[in-house]
Amino acid sequence: EIVMTQSPATLSVSPGERATLSCRASQSVSSNLAWYQQKPGQAPRLLIYGASTRATGIPARFSGSGSGTEFTLTISSLQSEDFAVYYCQQYNNWPLWTFGQGTKVEIK
Amino acid sequence: EVQLVESGGGLVQPGRSLRLSCTASGFTFGDYAMSWVRQAPGKGLEWVGFIRSKAYGGTTEYAASVKGRFTISRDDSKSIAYLQMNSLKTEDTAVYYCTRAPRVVPAAKYYFDYWGQGTLVTVSS
Repeated sequence: EIVMTQSPATLSVSPGERATLSCRASQSVSSNLAWYQQKPGQAPRLLIYGASTRATGIPARFSGSGSGTEFTLTISSLQSEDFAVYYCQQYNNWPLWTFGQGTKVEIK
Repeated sequence: EVQLVESGGGLVQPGRSLRLSCTASGFTFGDYAMSWVRQAPGKGLEWVGFIRSKAYGGTTEYAASVKGRFTISRDDSKSIAYLQMNSLKTEDTAVYYCTRAPRVVPAAKYYFDYWGQGTLVTVSS
């Protein structure tokens, strides 16, 4: 099983600032990585797939990068609606899809 | 608009069974694989199971934690995916999400693009 490790666990950011979230895979997943956003009481929403491709309707302030074992999700200028928990997920080693434990982005 | 609506959750005693349904609309259901993901209270996301489209055999895959107890099926004529859960354990308590799983070509990988709102399953005596 590929273990996905996200850091930090919690990120405190002021509105308008840049947020950088990290995700590391225990072995290479190529570019088969997705990022999801989850707000309290809601289902996860796909933000990024293929490590860097924004999903339909996702604002340009969200960007993804990386390949192999190191990945980054960047939110260029945090809006109030962006405070949430973010999960990375590898889909290279399917059917054993695995998620990171999540990074909570909170208001500083 | 793609919509996935789960139903069938509730309170059930350990050892009993429950069947969840996922009703899809807004896309050609039969063209897609589907998957179930769960989230225990206050915890992260855990993949549960997967069913391919009929074009790729309609076969299933399961996480080790549920293999032999859970079964996924689909009815393309009704655009519904099912999760049959038998021999339920307290650790199966979670919100269960249904997801659509598009196939990435040519790599033949699957990710999860649309998610339902989830249905809560509580296993307790």
